[in-house]
Amino acid sequence: NAGVTQTPKFRILKIGQSMTLQCTQDMNHNYMYWYRQDPGMGLKLIYYSVGAGITDKGEVPNGYNVSRSTTEDFPLRLELAAPSQTSVYFCASSPGSENTFGSGTRLTVV
Amino acid sequence: EDQVTQSPEALRLQEGESSSLNCSYTVSGLRGLFWYRQDPGKGPEFLFTLYSAGEEKEKERLKATLTKKESFLHITAPKPEDSATYLCAVPNTGFQKLVFGTGTRLLVSP
Repeated sequence: NAGVTQTPKFRILKIGQSMTLQCTQDMNHNYMYWYRQDPGMGLKLIYYSVGAGITDKGEVPNGYNVSRSTTEDFPLRLELAAPSQTSVYFCASSPGSENTFGSGTRLTVV
Repeated sequence: EDQVTQSPEALRLQEGESSSLNCSYTVSGLRGLFWYRQDPGKGPEFLFTLYSAGEEKEKERLKATLTKKESFLHITAPKPEDSATYLCAVPNTGFQKLVFGTGTRLLVSP
């Protein structure tokens, strides 16, 4: 049972490039989330999904997009990367209460 | 606005020196308070959920308690392996999105 799997673990992007952060879970959870974590700032919710085909914005959605075509997968798309998007990104899933987190993607935009 | 405040920001203890971490919250109609442990370079790991004032939960050297406005994570006779950042979170008003505090960085020295 793998839980929540995120890829890649590390990535360096140049300003203006795009990329997709992958997230998959094998627990059949309906709820999935994307957070970013900046030093000393705590976890901030970017986007979330309550099930396949349904997504909604969190606190800090600007510059990001998501899709949820299956229960298992919840990719996060960065368009036109900016230095402000340098952060650690965590995907999480939940059956409705506590979140199970992936191990994170450390992204640097230069 | 729903808020979660954790104190202290950082705590250094000697092995065996017991202490407590605090998490205060402002949310309409609390529907659970969650404690997580986060090790460097990893995603948060779920520890406890508390639902009502007076509730307590224990796991090894950790005990979490809840009042109407705050929660405490008591650490009894800590060991170096308890060193981590401890996060608390509450569901946002309206949905099962979690609002996280900025965490307490705990360092236990041998």
